[in-house]
Amino acid sequence: SQKIEQNSEALNIQEGKTATLTCNYTNYSPAYLQWYRQDPGRGPVFLLLIRENEKEKRKERLKVTFDTTLKQSLFHITASQPADSATYLCALDRGGNNRKLIWGLGTSLAVNP
Amino acid sequence: DAGVIQSPRHEVTEMGQEVTLRCKPISGHDYLFWYRQTMMRGLELLIYFNNNVPIDDSGMPEDRFSAKMPNASFSTLKIQPSEPRDSAVYFCASSLPEYQETQYFGPGTRLLVL
Repeated sequence: SQKIEQNSEALNIQEGKTATLTCNYTNYSPAYLQWYRQDPGRGPVFLLLIRENEKEKRKERLKVTFDTTLKQSLFHITASQPADSATYLCALDRGGNNRKLIWGLGTSLAVNP
Repeated sequence: DAGVIQSPRHEVTEMGQEVTLRCKPISGHDYLFWYRQTMMRGLELLIYFNNNVPIDDSGMPEDRFSAKMPNASFSTLKIQPSEPRDSAVYFCASSLPEYQETQYFGPGTRLLVL
């Protein structure tokens, strides 16, 4: 079955630096991959979606890459700010017409002022 | 739009009691998802509906869990009888019908079974 691995340890970086989070999967290549942000006590909020035929997607300070050879997606936040501190989740589709997503456990990011 | 609405936000109950969680999806969203989140297992999909019809309930842990969607604007997740291991945060999410459409999550219900 499909498994997803995200950095298990919290990531601490200095304000202004680029944060890079990793999402690795082990089995079939998904048709698309999504990144969500989750703040304490709240539900996940969608950030970006990247499809299997796309190498890179950008949105403001966010950038996602998708390497189907490495079975990996990288999520970058440039010019990070303390407000970017949160847990970031990646989710993969299961393919076909099933709308079920497989979720990683998330990586906690702390941006220090 | 008000977003996905869930109630209650917090629930504390004793083992053996019935628990009912409620969800109102975003208007116009055809898909509704029920998730459970714990530190150890992360987000797990329990069941999802399309146009009020259950499509995939393979994530429902056991017969103690049941979900219904009587109309497009309301869904319930029921646990009967509840057990301490059911303690978790339960999220409801909804999405539009287009393939690959993102999911919009509610604020969650934090359930504690004593």
